[in-house]
Amino acid sequence: QVQLVQSGAEVKKPGASVKVSCKASGYNFIAYYIQWVRQAPGQGLEWMGWINPNSGGTDYAQKFQGRVTMTRDTSISTAYMELNRLRSDDTAVYYCARPYCDSSTCYLGWLDPWGQGTLITVSS
Amino acid sequence: EIVLTQSPATLSLSPGERATLSCRASQSVRSSLAWYQQKPGQAPRLLIYDASNRATGIPARFSGSGSGTDFTLTISSLEPEDFAVYYCQQRSNLFTFGPGTKVNIK
Repeated sequence: QVQLVQSGAEVKKPGASVKVSCKASGYNFIAYYIQWVRQAPGQGLEWMGWINPNSGGTDYAQKFQGRVTMTRDTSISTAYMELNRLRSDDTAVYYCARPYCDSSTCYLGWLDPWGQGTLITVSS
Repeated sequence: EIVLTQSPATLSLSPGERATLSCRASQSVRSSLAWYQQKPGQAPRLLIYDASNRATGIPARFSGSGSGTDFTLTISSLEPEDFAVYYCQQRSNLFTFGPGTKVNIK
């Protein structure tokens, strides 16, 4: 079955960087974009961007441009999201997700399945 | 950026009751709207896409309607497992989520 498994929780100091991984299984990794969404504690969902695993092309939400880098390693079917210059308000659960596919079509932007989430805590 | 607003913020209902959740977009998103359910400690789950299509495995008690700027998620008869937070999301212009509606047990 299609599955996305993310790396474990991390604690970082302000100003540091963090790199979260998302390992895909059960499907052809390069055929579907991976999108990243975050959720601060007790808050809603915030789209961060996506990567095309085939080409490596990316698109980032304006809020994160200049601070986020999304990459992939096709040899191990894994996508990465790196966030730099961390601040306390970057404390959140970070999710990767794949486009939802019904019996005939895949829909970029409709997300399912999701990874289990990775809690990143930024604290001095 | 397209802003989504959801109402009410909280809905207190009993099992078996009908739930009606609203999502309004700051500009037309045509039918490019989805609904997700999220339970504590879990990732969101896609319920409805393209405004009115149920995702695979989603029970028929969930239905979506609307187009343009006004959308509705209806749960016809609440089951105990339906008490959760519900988010709408648009993909007409990049991707944004609404702030969520929490459905509480009354």
